[in-house]
Amino acid sequence: GESVGLHLPTLSVQEGDNSIINCAYSNSASDYFIWYKQESGKGPQFIIDIRSNMDKRQGQRVTVLLNKTVKHLSLQIAATQPGDSAVYFCAENRSDKIYNQGGKLIFGQGTELSVKP
Amino acid sequence: NAGVTQTPKFQVLKTGQSMTLQCAQDMNHNSMYWYRQDPGMGLRLIYYSASEGTTDKGEVPNGYNVSRLNKREFSLRLESAAPSQTSVYFCASRLLAGLNEQFFGPGTRLTVL
Repeated sequence: GESVGLHLPTLSVQEGDNSIINCAYSNSASDYFIWYKQESGKGPQFIIDIRSNMDKRQGQRVTVLLNKTVKHLSLQIAATQPGDSAVYFCAENRSDKIYNQGGKLIFGQGTELSVKP
Repeated sequence: NAGVTQTPKFQVLKTGQSMTLQCAQDMNHNSMYWYRQDPGMGLRLIYYSASEGTTDKGEVPNGYNVSRLNKREFSLRLESAAPSQTSVYFCASRLLAGLNEQFFGPGTRLTVL
């Protein structure tokens, strides 16, 4: 169904601290997950992804953790910088088993990260 | 490579007018998508095309139609615009409709008066 609330969850951190952004997904059959960063006035940019057969994946300054038992995804950003200020979205890939078309991404509401200098 | 491009960047319509949003990608991707994003919300899938020659409805298809013109281009049409369609529209593409990332265009900001 549609989300009614227009208030994005927000996270405010001090520059240099670590940030943790959480996401709950809805479909236990989702097989692939992506974190995107969206700066004001721009399209979403890929940060990191993880497949459902993994529980952790690391990139440069970012780590994604997947807990399939509770359907939870988190994004950890190390040594957060002012340039990390943005809205972060998680997305889950839902495969179309009937038509075997691979799937489509369904996005969460997003979390606004604000980094204080 | 330009990636995913969208035109126009901004558009204002009156209720009942029609228009087509254009999207093109130069990455030889097979799958293309149209999303809308309303203030303070995530992206909701309108329509997608898993491969050239196919299109399917997403979460919020009502009031829209799409055309996969060729492998590069995927257009979104509003036949009779309504104020509820005021939103930012994003096009995206993906190599395959599966376990790989989507690349997004810069968006079209549409206002329907």
